[in-house]
Amino acid sequence: KNEVEQSPQNLTAQEGEFITINCSYSVGISALHWLQQHPGGGIVSLFMLSSGKKKHGRLIATINIQEKHSSLHITASHPRDSAVYICAASGNNDMRFGAGTRLTVKP
Amino acid sequence: DAGITQSPRHKVTETGTPVTLRCHQTENHRYMYWYRQDPGHGLRLIHYSYGVKDTDKGEVSDGYSVSRSKTEDFLLTLESATSSQTSVYFCAISETSGNTDTQYFGPGTRLTVL
Repeated sequence: KNEVEQSPQNLTAQEGEFITINCSYSVGISALHWLQQHPGGGIVSLFMLSSGKKKHGRLIATINIQEKHSSLHITASHPRDSAVYICAASGNNDMRFGAGTRLTVKP
Repeated sequence: DAGITQSPRHKVTETGTPVTLRCHQTENHRYMYWYRQDPGHGLRLIHYSYGVKDTDKGEVSDGYSVSRSKTEDFLLTLESATSSQTSVYFCAISETSGNTDTQYFGPGTRLTVL
């Protein structure tokens, strides 16, 4: 079993829909990261959080430390949000990554 | 965008040949990382560096070595490439420990070992 599990693996949505991607981890962490990998392959860090909630534009990330669970939400989704979203748990000078969620937003 | 470049961006080589990948940063960040990305596995840490000449192993370090002789460069070497090392390799940097700091990723190097 992977130490960081994401669901769903693939997600297709219509433009404007509210999107939720889930991440569960089994390791102790210092921080939880959400990354976005564009179709061209580039990886961008979206959020790093260790408690509560963070918001940036239409993206919201939450974490529940007790339940070892984090969610990434996208409001009013747009085709340009189509990408692979990766969750990663960091701690002990190590970072463990989920396999990613491939999001496709159709116009 | 963080100033991180990787070279080469694409490489095809044969089994048994040595290969060196270079990561170069202009941010003067202390920490540098090498990851590989394979379908179904996500990103996995190969080696990381926490300063000049200071390196440590990651989750999948077998068959790889690294060197960091100056702050801006982190080299990943495959002494004798194998087909199982066909992958996309990403370099990343962070100002402080990646435990509690954002990592910035390079554009990736696609390596094919025939």
